[in-house]
Amino acid sequence: SQQGEEDPQALSIQEGENATMNCSYKTSINNLQWYRQNSGRGLVHLILIRSNEREKHSGRLRVTLDTSKKSSSLLITASRAADTASYFCATAVNTNAGKSTFGDGTTLTVKP
Amino acid sequence: EPEVTQTPSHQVTQMGQEVILRCVPISNHLYFYWYRQILGQKVEFLVSFYNNEISEKSEIFDDQFSVERPDGSNFTLKIRSTKLEDSAMYFCASRPGPSGRQETQYFGPGTRLLVL
Repeated sequence: SQQGEEDPQALSIQEGENATMNCSYKTSINNLQWYRQNSGRGLVHLILIRSNEREKHSGRLRVTLDTSKKSSSLLITASRAADTASYFCATAVNTNAGKSTFGDGTTLTVKP
Repeated sequence: EPEVTQTPSHQVTQMGQEVILRCVPISNHLYFYWYRQILGQKVEFLVSFYNNEISEKSEIFDDQFSVERPDGSNFTLKIRSTKLEDSAMYFCASRPGPSGRQETQYFGPGTRLLVL
């Protein structure tokens, strides 16, 4: 598997339900970022979590990081139809360049 | 809120032609990046740029690609002789600084390049 793999690949839920997406990676990282992408559009930054952090919150979003398992999860609570998008995790290793390596993404569909 | 901007939003070109994609990173950011996303695929890193030089590049970023920061605001990606497989969405990103909260990369809306 590659650095930054999300699962599931696709997730369909009803409005109001919670959505959980997972990301696994292979190498040690400096930080992990979650992005949202609406179809054919740009990448919107959601949350950055650093390797020494375990959990972060932002509104309805909750991100966890388990460096021992090399995995992260993104939880969206009380989902809305507007949350329909693709969600990507991106990892950055300890280099000055700080490039991000993206996963394949999870496509979330929230049905009204 | 400051944003990364990119122009043009769409570009169609003939194979073998040169294209220049333009980006205006967020003011006062120090690190700049180009990524691309082929339709239906993951976002791929192309190149990072810091202190007026390339700091890292991927295998994709061959001699046909170049980047430049010609003035204090623009950051450009040039493809000298486009190929069909260069068709993709190209994203520019910038980052404030080296560590802590400055590590967040902010992406532009992208330029969709179609090579015919």
